[in-house]
Amino acid sequence: GESVGLHLPTLSVQEGDNSIINCAYSNSASDYFIWYKQESGKGPQFIIDIRSNMDKRQGQRVTVLLNKTVKHLSLQIAATQPGDSAVYFCAEEVRDDKIIFGKGTRLHILP
Amino acid sequence: ETGVTQSPTHLIKTRGQQVTLRCSSQSGHNTVSWYQQALGQGPQFIFQYYREEENGRGNFPPRFSGLQFPNYSSELNVNALELDDSALYLCASSFDWEVDTQYFGPGTRLTVL
Repeated sequence: GESVGLHLPTLSVQEGDNSIINCAYSNSASDYFIWYKQESGKGPQFIIDIRSNMDKRQGQRVTVLLNKTVKHLSLQIAATQPGDSAVYFCAEEVRDDKIIFGKGTRLHILP
Repeated sequence: ETGVTQSPTHLIKTRGQQVTLRCSSQSGHNTVSWYQQALGQGPQFIFQYYREEENGRGNFPPRFSGLQFPNYSSELNVNALELDDSALYLCASSFDWEVDTQYFGPGTRLTVL
């Protein structure tokens, strides 16, 4: 079926350390995946995406890894900052007009 | 801040009532998608409008309906409100439904009593 899930609901990371947020997906036909950041009181914000013909994509301080064999996505945030505190969602596009979101992981930054 | 605005910010209704939520899209965008986000959950796709026509729908009943206007702003209407309709309603605008051009608004918090 169509579902995107996350392994951990809350992740606490020391400021300056790297954060890794994991996500499993179930639809093997999906070919486009997105990570979103949602801060309190705001809508989700696009962070980075990856297509199924890639296994790694890098942005500014963020890297997304895709393992199609085990249907697993991860988001790595380098040198985590207080402003990175938010809920992070992985999502998959099942067709041009439909995006399935996971339940989210809350990232908490420790001083 | 994105150029996507939503109104109202908060709304309280009672069961059985009807509600209309509004969304103004980012300048230059022609596609609006609506999502329902229950507390502690990820957003769920309701439907999408492209150039004033419905362009896909999620698993929501017909009492959830929408419109898109010539200026590409949009409305979400919900009839016969139920308690489970309490949620944050998000709209997102994009150009030609390209996800990497998509911007979300801040949402409308609907509480059904």
